[in-house]
Amino acid sequence: DVKVTQSSRYLVKRTGEKVFLECVQDMDHENMFWYRQDPGLGLRLIYFSYDVKMKEKGDIPEGYSVSREKKERFSLILESASTNQTSMYLCASSSTGYPSTNYGYTFGSGTRLTVV
Amino acid sequence: RKEVEQDPGPFNVPEGATVAFNCTYSNSASQSFFWYRQDCRKEPKLLMSVYSSGNEDGRFTAQLNRASQYISLLIRDSKLSDSATYLCVVIGSSNTGKLIFGQGTTLQVKP
Repeated sequence: DVKVTQSSRYLVKRTGEKVFLECVQDMDHENMFWYRQDPGLGLRLIYFSYDVKMKEKGDIPEGYSVSREKKERFSLILESASTNQTSMYLCASSSTGYPSTNYGYTFGSGTRLTVV
Repeated sequence: RKEVEQDPGPFNVPEGATVAFNCTYSNSASQSFFWYRQDCRKEPKLLMSVYSSGNEDGRFTAQLNRASQYISLLIRDSKLSDSATYLCVVIGSSNTGKLIFGQGTTLQVKP
């Protein structure tokens, strides 16, 4: 069974801390994405990567950075956590070959981050 | 204007009912369309792709209207297990395959 694994399900951090959210996929997918999901706002794209060491800003990159040193791993970094970054963070991956009939993302189970 | 818009609901329907959701998108160059399902506190999962000719998967039917820039999802004979949030998803013209999500429509099927 294909999987996208996020390292933590729940996380509580203090304001100003540097926070690392890890995501690993075992499907040899080229593309990886980080979203956050908030009530009433839906899923918003933070950053994405379509190859190792490549990254692109999404719609709300401010306050975040990413790292993709290996194909299977895509890390989201909160440089200095703030309370408005309290959210559900979802990682996803997909294969290249756009558009394909069964194209879609596989999501990780999410990390619920609370910044206090 | 949001790129993908949905009525958030909630839609409360009895078991066995037929329910339909619509979704509009703003980018006429959008290439691919999907419906995702998200259960409470879980990740979104692909429900079905939406094809120009319309497509059906069991009790679920998806339609695309490019001229009016909307897609729809019809659920027949609703089950309690259909209760979830349904996300309308669009791929723009970019070849990175970036998905754009609507905020979702919540369905609650009651006994």
